[in-house]
Amino acid sequence: AQSVTQLGSHVSVSEGALVLLRCNYSSSVPPYLFWYVQYPNQGLQLLLKYTTGATLVKGINGFEAEFKKSETSFHLTKPSAHMSDAAEYFCAVHTGTASKLTFGTGTRLQVTL
Amino acid sequence: DTGVSQNPRHKITKRGQNVTFRCDPISEHNRLYWYRQTLGQGPEFLTYFQNEAQLEKSRLLSDRFSAERPKGSFSTLEIQRTEQGDSAMYLCASSSASSGARGNTIYFGEGSWLTVV
Repeated sequence: AQSVTQLGSHVSVSEGALVLLRCNYSSSVPPYLFWYVQYPNQGLQLLLKYTTGATLVKGINGFEAEFKKSETSFHLTKPSAHMSDAAEYFCAVHTGTASKLTFGTGTRLQVTL
Repeated sequence: DTGVSQNPRHKITKRGQNVTFRCDPISEHNRLYWYRQTLGQGPEFLTYFQNEAQLEKSRLLSDRFSAERPKGSFSTLEIQRTEQGDSAMYLCASSSASSGARGNTIYFGEGSWLTVV
């Protein structure tokens, strides 16, 4: 069965600092991996996804993630945090042929001045 | 493309009452999903439809829960005899995917908050 683990339920960075949100996956088949962002009281918005091909994936709002098979990781990064990046971030993996998503428990990103 | 639409956005109900949520997916998306999200947790899969057929249900979906997608367009999720443990956000999502295709993006709605008092 496929699953994801997000290390760190809360991450706090200063504005302008590097953002690093960690995600490790477990999958018996080549994984398709996703990062979603959720702002307070809203649904989920896709940041980026990895299916096949290039292992460094660029997404919206300056975020990117690198698929590392050897480390079973798909960490999300952004070179310089903005106050508007404060939100909950979820890593997810496709499971089964229905393409349903299995989510991690999320990481809340706080950005301070 | 107006996105996935859900209503009502918020519902407060007394324990034991029935509630129904509606989801309008992105037009022409053949797959529709329902997820549940409780505070501090990631969304958990409940069920999904391909067109009007309900193809999978999670064990989380007790017999008090029923979902329909009668014409393969909008969907409803009904919870009967609500319990306090049903308090959560119910997320609807849709995608356009051929059978067996993985990697297609799943688009989420804004969610419907349920509070059972």
